[in-house]
Amino acid sequence: DAKTTQPPSMDCAEGRAANLPCNHSTISGNEYVYWYRQIHSQGPQYIIHGLKNNETNEMASLIITEDRKSSTLILPHATLRDTAVYYCIVIGNNDMRFGAGTRLTVKP
Amino acid sequence: DSGVTQTPKHLITATGQRVTLRCSPRSGDLSVYWYQQSLDQGLQFLIQYYNGEERAKGNILERFSAQQFPDLHSELNLSSLELGDSALYFCASSVGGYQETQYFGPGTRLLVL
Repeated sequence: DAKTTQPPSMDCAEGRAANLPCNHSTISGNEYVYWYRQIHSQGPQYIIHGLKNNETNEMASLIITEDRKSSTLILPHATLRDTAVYYCIVIGNNDMRFGAGTRLTVKP
Repeated sequence: DSGVTQTPKHLITATGQRVTLRCSPRSGDLSVYWYQQSLDQGLQFLIQYYNGEERAKGNILERFSAQQFPDLHSELNLSSLELGDSALYFCASSVGGYQETQYFGPGTRLLVL
């Protein structure tokens, strides 16, 4: 079983922020939270990762709660091309288990 | 383009047969990972190699095997194929071998008839 729990689907209006939640209540101190997305059947694309602190890059922001038991991926201005399955995974000790992810649909 | 290449792109074969999938990692990456994604399923981690050595094992069947060669490319061998082995097979690579960002290839779509 995956170490993370995500809602199966979400909708977002184009131009608005998309906030994708992820629960990882059993995360260990040395495990990172990674986010990937998969558009159709293409290879998953790396988005962002973090350990304790919030992170931001050109694609997204990652907010990790202080207890590290959950996180939120924020796409600040979603576009139609952001429609994809988003995977939140916890990686530690070479244990890489992807869950079912969240299917984000961005609507015009 | 992630820099990871996989061949072939598509493969159609029959039950009982054996196939080999090939992956070339990004330049400079020492780790290669293999994943299986069945229809409408999530990604299942199969195995990881780091600089030629097996580093981690996931849900890989005994009928499947992999290796990483001195030039760091990797091959995934699938034998005694069954209908249920039909899936997308992705390869990913990373610089190191531990908690590194992985970059995925475009995948090989295998259809077993």
